[in-house]
Amino acid sequence: DADVTQTPRNRITKTGKRIMLECSQTKGHDRMYWYRQDPGLGLRLIYYSFDVKDINKGEISDGYSVSRQAQAKFSLSLESAIPNQTALYFCATSDHKTSGTSTDTQYFGPGTRLTVL
Amino acid sequence: QKEVEQNSGPLSVPEGAIASLNCTYSDRVSQSFFWYRQYSGKSPELIMSIYSNGDKEDGRFTAQLNKASQYVSLLIRDSQPSDSATYLCAVNRGYGGSQGNLIFGKGTKLSVKP
Repeated sequence: DADVTQTPRNRITKTGKRIMLECSQTKGHDRMYWYRQDPGLGLRLIYYSFDVKDINKGEISDGYSVSRQAQAKFSLSLESAIPNQTALYFCATSDHKTSGTSTDTQYFGPGTRLTVL
Repeated sequence: QKEVEQNSGPLSVPEGAIASLNCTYSDRVSQSFFWYRQYSGKSPELIMSIYSNGDKEDGRFTAQLNKASQYVSLLIRDSQPSDSATYLCAVNRGYGGSQGNLIFGKGTKLSVKP
């Protein structure tokens, strides 16, 4: 089984609809991330969470919200979807150590292709 | 100055040649450096990580790090058409509230021609 899973894998929705993307991980990592990727713009960080009670905005959080339901689950919501939120969305996890050497390697889920009409 | 810079390409090399991908970064206290490969429509996949100055080899891949010059590179020997993908350079943030987060470059698109 994959270590980082995302559901759904593909979603088509209409402007104004609320939509939730879900991410689950079995790696036991504390840190989880949501990115979006658009052609030519690279990966852009939407939100990140260092643990269940620590959630932070990334560079493009407007129009999005998140919930960290458990160490293993991190969901991304679009409260009222708009067409320019059409993109490929990735969840990632990492294990950061505050003492000693921390590699900070991030592991990505398979992605969700979201289309907002 | 962008935090992590890569030439967007496309970089085109013939099959069997060496592909050389380059990346510069601005955070002098970064300690971890990564190369991810991403096929179109797929998720980034870690192919190399490097933490110390010098070279690190893994099969056909060699990562090179020069912290004094804030430069990291990836060499792919005996390039194959299956290596055609976008390669993302990533560097960990070494300070501040988001310490440990990765900063990604926009990627270099590599095309290996048969």
